[in-house]
Amino acid sequence: GENVEQHPSTLSVQEGDSAVIKCTYSDSASNYFPWYKQELGKRPQLIIDIRSNVGEKKDQRIAVTLNKTAKHFSLHITETQPEDSAVYFCAASRGTGFQKLVFGTGTRLLVSP
Amino acid sequence: GAVVSQHPSRVICKSGTSVKIECRSLDFQATTMFWYRQFPKQSLMLMATSNEGSKATYEQGVEKDKFLINHASLTLSTLTVTSAHPEDSSFYICSAASLLHTDTQYFGPGTRLTVL
Repeated sequence: GENVEQHPSTLSVQEGDSAVIKCTYSDSASNYFPWYKQELGKRPQLIIDIRSNVGEKKDQRIAVTLNKTAKHFSLHITETQPEDSAVYFCAASRGTGFQKLVFGTGTRLLVSP
Repeated sequence: GAVVSQHPSRVICKSGTSVKIECRSLDFQATTMFWYRQFPKQSLMLMATSNEGSKATYEQGVEKDKFLINHASLTLSTLTVTSAHPEDSSFYICSAASLLHTDTQYFGPGTRLTVL
């Protein structure tokens, strides 16, 4: 089955810096890669996603890149703010929302003022 | 946007009792719902996929007789933790896939289960 690895497990940056979180996946049939932000005790919130027919997607300060050949995808957050502090999870699935998501292990991002 | 609710948000029970958690899609129909478990400082682990009108599909290592799932309608799935033990204490989160928004899973707010 699918296995998703995520690095780093923790990431501390200063406000205004950029943050990059990387994930690799094993299942070549995976074609949908969402990123979730989870605050303590809350539900995961979808922040951006990408499909395998696209190499990069951007939404304001957040961008995701995908390298299908290498089976890795990354989350880039620019101009970080303290409110970006949370745990971020990458995930992979074989297609639509009806397919199960396999989550990475999570990255705890801390943005210091 | 699509909204998923869970009830209760928090439950404390004694060891050996059963607990039922409800997951509802409030403004859309969900033929497929997913149940995840999240231990402190860990990732979300899929327990089972719940399909309306049919038996749930359980992930390897998840006991189907202990974690009973019922998806009786297009807006409601329930997870019953039977004969709960302290090791079942966890954060249980459901998600639902929309017929209209098939690209995305929408997550419920989670249920914090504590078994004494």
